[in-house]
Amino acid sequence: EAQVTQNPRYLITVTGKKLTVTCSQNMNHEYMSWYRQDPGLGLRQIYYSMNVEVTDKGDVPEGYKVSRKEKRNFPLILESPSPNQTSLYFCASSLSSGQASTDTQYFGPGTRLTVL
Amino acid sequence: AQSVSQHNHHVILSEAASLELGCNYSYGGTVNLFWYVQYPGQHLQLLLKYFSGDPLVKGIKGFEAEFIKSKFSFNLRKPSVQWSDTAEYFCAGNNFNKFYFGSGTKLNVKP
Repeated sequence: EAQVTQNPRYLITVTGKKLTVTCSQNMNHEYMSWYRQDPGLGLRQIYYSMNVEVTDKGDVPEGYKVSRKEKRNFPLILESPSPNQTSLYFCASSLSSGQASTDTQYFGPGTRLTVL
Repeated sequence: AQSVSQHNHHVILSEAASLELGCNYSYGGTVNLFWYVQYPGQHLQLLLKYFSGDPLVKGIKGFEAEFIKSKFSFNLRKPSVQWSDTAEYFCAGNNFNKFYFGSGTKLNVKP
């Protein structure tokens, strides 16, 4: 089954404790992306990756890191989480960066992060 | 700044009523636009998308959207909503490899 998986689904942590949220896709997609969803703000893109070893900032990259060492994986790293990073996070993937009419972005189930 | 905006934050309708949700974008160049739906507790699913050609786009579940370039708009419509359409709807745009989402519209359909 074609899917994007994220782990963990729920995470409660404390300020300053480094954490990683994993994202994996099994569709051989080149484009992967991380978003955060906050009430009243919709989804905001944190980082995206056009392919292995190619990453770039979205609209809200501060406080986050990513890496793309393999095509299928795109982990999101919070080196020193703060309470303002409490949010719902979604990973997504697509064949390309949405420029082709046949392209569709597939979203993971989400990770609800609480930073105390 | 490039952005996508939705002005209806919360819409309440009765079953069988018609629906129109507004979406405006504010960037130039190639315009690719999308509508996504998020049912309670679920992740986003694509309803429809516009890339070029016919400005009236038909999607799944009876939804359609019209791209009006002169108004920078891409409004979502459905002639008759059902209780199962209760969800949050997001308009999104794609420009230079980045995606921009609106703030979302929560639709509540009363049975």
